[in-house]
Amino acid sequence: DGGITQSPKYLFRKEGQNVTLSCEQNLNHDAMYWYRQDPGQGLRLIYYSQIVNDFQKGDIAEGYSVSREKKESFPLTVTSAQKNPTAFYLCASSTSAGQAYNSPLHFGNGTRLTVT
Amino acid sequence: SQKIEQNSEALNIQEGKTATLTCNYTNYSPAYLQWYRQDPGRGPVFLLLIRENEKEKRKERLKVTFDTTLKQSLFHITASQPADSATYLCALVKASGGSYIPTFGRGTSLIVHP
Repeated sequence: DGGITQSPKYLFRKEGQNVTLSCEQNLNHDAMYWYRQDPGQGLRLIYYSQIVNDFQKGDIAEGYSVSREKKESFPLTVTSAQKNPTAFYLCASSTSAGQAYNSPLHFGNGTRLTVT
Repeated sequence: SQKIEQNSEALNIQEGKTATLTCNYTNYSPAYLQWYRQDPGRGPVFLLLIRENEKEKRKERLKVTFDTTLKQSLFHITASQPADSATYLCALVKASGGSYIPTFGRGTSLIVHP
């Protein structure tokens, strides 16, 4: 079955450590996205990538980094510079970021990161 | 500043009734509006999309309206069932440098009682 896989589902880290969240898709989608969800808040865009080797900052990119070396993979690193890293992180993909009518987002089931 | 507003209070209804959820926005000129369903601990799932020049879209028991004058979308679930209980998110999509990136509201929780 095609879909998006995020791993792990739960992640615990100590403050000051960098941590990388995995996101893999086998939908052959060009565009991939990372959103963060906090209780009572909407999804906020961290980074997105329209094609391999290219990515753009979203609304809350500070303290995060990404790479897009393969079409299928878009890992997110939460660095120690991120002030409030504890959150639910959602990865998504779409056929193309430039064709919204035919490109709703397909989401993974998220990684819940807890930093203490 | 741009805002997307969805009712933060949960909507409680009886099974069989029609649920109506509201999405209001300000300082936006979206090209499209999307609705997603999110179950606890899971990622959102796309339900419906409506374009700015469309008044209404239907899919089975779901109906979405889009009023660009009122800056409002209504999402209806007819003949609601307990299985429809979830959080429903609206997302506005506008063009930005050649890309169309959805911006999400915080969602409204729907609880359908048997």
